Amino acid sequence: TQLLEQSPQFLSIQEGENLTVYCNSSSVFSSLQWYRQEPGEGPVLLVTVVTGGEVKKLKRLTFQFGDARKDSSLHITAAQPGDTGLYLCAGATRGKETSGSRLTFGEGTQLTVNP
Amino acid sequence: KAGVTQTPRYLIKTRGQQVTLSCSPISGHRSVSWYQQTPGQGLQFLFEYFSETQRNKGNFPGRFSGRQFSNSRSEMNVSTLELGDSALYLCASSFTGGAGQPQHFGDGTRLSIL
Repeated sequence: TQLLEQSPQFLSIQEGENLTVYCNSSSVFSSLQWYRQEPGEGPVLLVTVVTGGEVKKLKRLTFQFGDARKDSSLHITAAQPGDTGLYLCAGATRGKETSGSRLTFGEGTQLTVNP
Repeated sequence: KAGVTQTPRYLIKTRGQQVTLSCSPISGHRSVSWYQQTPGQGLQFLFEYFSETQRNKGNFPGRFSGRQFSNSRSEMNVSTLELGDSALYLCASSFTGGAGQPQHFGDGTRLSIL
């Protein structure tokens, strides 16, 4: 069974602070996705990382995929109240296009950014 | 472009009843996956359908079943409901469901069992 451990579970910070969320596994994933979910809504994809060591930036968010494709991190610079939400990492298992796939989700990090 | 649509948004049932949830994927998407989200377990994979066939299945009892129609719309059925089935049920669609493809989620059906 593939598991993704996400930390921290809860994070409450002040506007303007930086933060990092970690996602770790003992399994190798073919890709890893980060989602953000707000109350009453489904998760919305932020980014997909595929290559070991890959770094992607989305405005103030920086995503990194570990060299061994077992871990990932999300770093937010100068957090704003609008960043508040549940951040989820999800690993996709290796497979062919025709065999489908499944996402294994981490437990999520509930981020609160106070003004 | 319309997103993934799930109906109904909210549902209240009692133990022992059965329920059917519906998911309409984004136009052109042929893969539909279902997930259960609870505070204690997070998001857990139920099953995935592609071309009207169940292609992947998670570790849920046989009370949970689904199907997909020729237009890619999918339904999920839960029979003999238990209190522990109270959860947010999410469906997600993608073009072919291949690993790494972005999954587009609906806003879910909130199922409450009394």
